[in-house]
Amino acid sequence: ELKVEQNPLFLSMQEGKNYTIYCNYSTTSDRLYWYRQDPGKSLESLFVLLSNGAVKQEGRLMASLDTKARLSTLHITAAVHDLSATYFCALTSGTYKYIFGTGTRLKVLA
Amino acid sequence: DVKVTQSSRYLVKRTGEKVFLECVQDMDHENMFWYRQDPGLGLRLIYFSYDVKMKEKGDIPEGYSVSREKKERFSLILESASTNQTSMYLCASSTPSGVYEQYFGPGTRLTVT
Repeated sequence: ELKVEQNPLFLSMQEGKNYTIYCNYSTTSDRLYWYRQDPGKSLESLFVLLSNGAVKQEGRLMASLDTKARLSTLHITAAVHDLSATYFCALTSGTYKYIFGTGTRLKVLA
Repeated sequence: DVKVTQSSRYLVKRTGEKVFLECVQDMDHENMFWYRQDPGLGLRLIYFSYDVKMKEKGDIPEGYSVSREKKERFSLILESASTNQTSMYLCASSTPSGVYEQYFGPGTRLTVT
């Protein structure tokens, strides 16, 4: 059974600092997704990673995938307050089963 | 842009009422999903549909049913609402091939009193 573990669960960081969120998973999966959720809002897709070594970047966020280590990372560069949100990773198990991590609540302090 | 809409953002219902949550997507996606999201428990799949009139149970289907009469519309039904069904309900749709990326609706926060 596919299990997804994110850490840390909570992250409080100063503006301008760098940090990494980790997403570990238990079995092979073809696709890994990163989502952002603002308080009281729905999930917004950030990245889709499809192969080993895949790296995608958007602004201050960069996601990577290491399928051999069963690990994806979401790296935040020079954090700003607007990045405060909860970040989820998710993987597919089969064609419709999506398994979500528990989320990392990020708070960027001014 | 894919758009997934849900019929209500906030809903308050009484215990025992029948509740309908509706979801509509405009991208001709085959797959549609209903999740509930609770603090500390993440997103849990209630039901999934891969075609009109087709449905599959997810991880927590008890107390829920679904209906998909048209491709663009997927309804979640709480036959007799209970207080433990107070939650945020999220609808999503995705294509059945390619990257299988899910697109989420804005969510319905349901309170059952």
